[in-house]
Parts: sequence; structure tokens; C-alpha cells
Amino acid sequence: DIQMTQSPPSLSASAGERVTITCRASENVHKYLNWYQQKPGKAPKALIFAASSLEGGVPSRFSGTGSGTDFTLTIASLQPEDFATYYCQQSYSVPWTFGQGTKVEVK
Amino acid sequence: QVQLQESGPGLVKPSQTLSLTCTVSNASVSSGPYYWSWIRQPAGEGLEWIGRIYHSGDTNYNPSLISRLTISLDTSNNLFSLRLTSVTATDTAIYYCARESWSSAYFLDSWGQGTLVTVSS
Repeated sequence: DIQMTQSPPSLSASAGERVTITCRASENVHKYLNWYQQKPGKAPKALIFAASSLEGGVPSRFSGTGSGTDFTLTIASLQPEDFATYYCQQSYSVPWTFGQGTKVEVK
Repeated sequence: QVQLQESGPGLVKPSQTLSLTCTVSNASVSSGPYYWSWIRQPAGEGLEWIGRIYHSGDTNYNPSLISRLTISLDTSNNLFSLRLTSVTATDTAIYYCARESWSSAYFLDSWGQGTLVTVSS
């Protein structure tokens, strides 16, 4: 299985700050990397697919970059509704695998 | 917009079989090009992909569960199902069903709300 490692596991930030989360794959997943947001008690929601494509309805302050083994999710200006846990997921090789999550908390 | 809804027992005894269904609205499980997937999440932990089924009936399973797992389609009722045998406490989790779409990559674009399954005697 491909292992996905996210960093940091958690971070504290204030509204308006720029936030960056990284995801590293244990092998080359090309651009088959997706990002999800999960709020407490809710199902995950797709944000970014294919490393950099924004899912419909997702605000443009979210962006994704990377290819191969190293990927980044950036929130350009953190909004109150963005405090949540973020997961990366590879869809290059079955079984799909997720990172352990990055919790974005209020500073 | 597609909607998915999980249903099934919230409590299963150890060694018994966990059975869940996911009813799909506003989309057909018998039409491509979608996969229909199951994912689970133990309380306070991360996400684990369980497996998926294509409209043709082709399946992919997580190797860690393959010996106990069956995912099937019910096209008459527009739903898909998960069956996990010989459960233990480690199978306790929130179980999500989801639709997997292709757009430059496979990704899980629509999710059910999730259902908590507890394995306990």
C-alpha cells in the first residue's frame, strides 16, 4: 500500500492567515492526489482533485500544488468556516489511502 | 445532486456479520462512469478506504479486509451494500458510503452522512 504522510498533524492559526499543509506519498502517485475537508460530526467533503483542480463550489482561497510524491494544500486567507481537519488521499493505486489528517484550530 | 444514505444496525456482536446498505438518489448505480465506495473512520481517527464497486459489478477491495468483505449492487432498488464477516471491536467505526468520479483522477465527490457501527456483546 502507498503510505501518505501529512504535516503538521495540527496547527493553530488566526482568521486571515495563510495556511499550508503538506502531504508526502511513499511512492510516485503522479497527480492522482485529492484533498478533503472534514468538520466535526460531518462527512468529508472534496476540495481538490488531481492535485490542483478545485471541486465545484469550493472557494478559490483553496489551492493545491504538487506532483510525484510531494503535495501542498494552501488556504490563502483562513476564514472562520475553514477550521476543520484536512486529509489527502492518493488515487493512483488501489487500495486508496489517506493521510492521517491535519487539524486546523483557532489560535 | 446525488444523495447517499447509509442504513443498517448500529450494534453488531463480535464474530457476527456487519451489513450496511447505501441508498442512492438522483443517480443510478447501474450507470457509469461512477464507482460506489465504502470508507470507514474509527472515532477520533483517520479515514480507511474499504472498497468499491463499478456499475458493471467489478469490485476492488482493501487487501486488509478482502477475506471478510463483500460489496454488491442492487440495481432494482438503486443501492449498494457492504457485508463484513467475523467482526471484532476493531471494526467499530463510522461507515460512510460515497460516489467516486473520474475527472483527471478518481476522487470521492459525494458522501453519505455516515452511520456509526459498534461491535460489542
